[in-house]
Amino acid sequence: QKEVEQNSGPLSVPEGAIASLNCTYSDRGSQSFFWYRQYSGKSPELIMFIYSNGDKEDGRFTAQLNKASQYVSLLIRDSQPSDSATYLCAVTPFSGGYNKLIFGAGTRLAVHP
Amino acid sequence: GAVVSQHPSWVICKSGTSVKIECRSLDFQATTMFWYRQFPKQSLMLMATSNEGSKATYEQGVEKDKFLINHASLTLSTLTVTSAHPEDSSFYICSAIMARGFQETQYFGPGTRLLVL
Repeated sequence: QKEVEQNSGPLSVPEGAIASLNCTYSDRGSQSFFWYRQYSGKSPELIMFIYSNGDKEDGRFTAQLNKASQYVSLLIRDSQPSDSATYLCAVTPFSGGYNKLIFGAGTRLAVHP
Repeated sequence: GAVVSQHPSWVICKSGTSVKIECRSLDFQATTMFWYRQFPKQSLMLMATSNEGSKATYEQGVEKDKFLINHASLTLSTLTVTSAHPEDSSFYICSAIMARGFQETQYFGPGTRLLVL
């Protein structure tokens, strides 16, 4: 079992819709959870992070964390074609040390006009 | 967000040469930086953790004598790919930890694309 799992996609949504990206992790003691966006040929860009159970909103983005079920999700409201990218879920495991991040393989999102 | 720079952004070199890549945190101090490698259409692979003032910690399967890491200051880490070969061609990305109280966030540099001929 991979430590951080994401559906590779592509997830295709129409412009203006809500895109829902999901991520599960295996280390129950994981501390911190991050969502990064990576455009093709570019390095990852931090979107948001979440530490506590529940929802955290930042503009059109909402991160949701459920530690009991070991999943974290990212909702993108009013999706735009410019949101088309690969979204990486990253987790700081309990035993990682040095704040090492474990990345999922990423979900490719395609927002079509 | 915090700014992390990398230099150079592109490198083309002949097989057998060594290539040095610099990673700098521009507006914060980073005691910990990371080096990743990403092959086309694959996920990020952590190569090593770079700690200021101490030896780097390498991930399993990464040759420490081939990928030399030096974290000389709180704002600079360098990765040297020694005796590069075509299979080392990849996208190398560094990241730096920015700490604000108990909150620690990892920010990425723009990456360095290495092509070994």
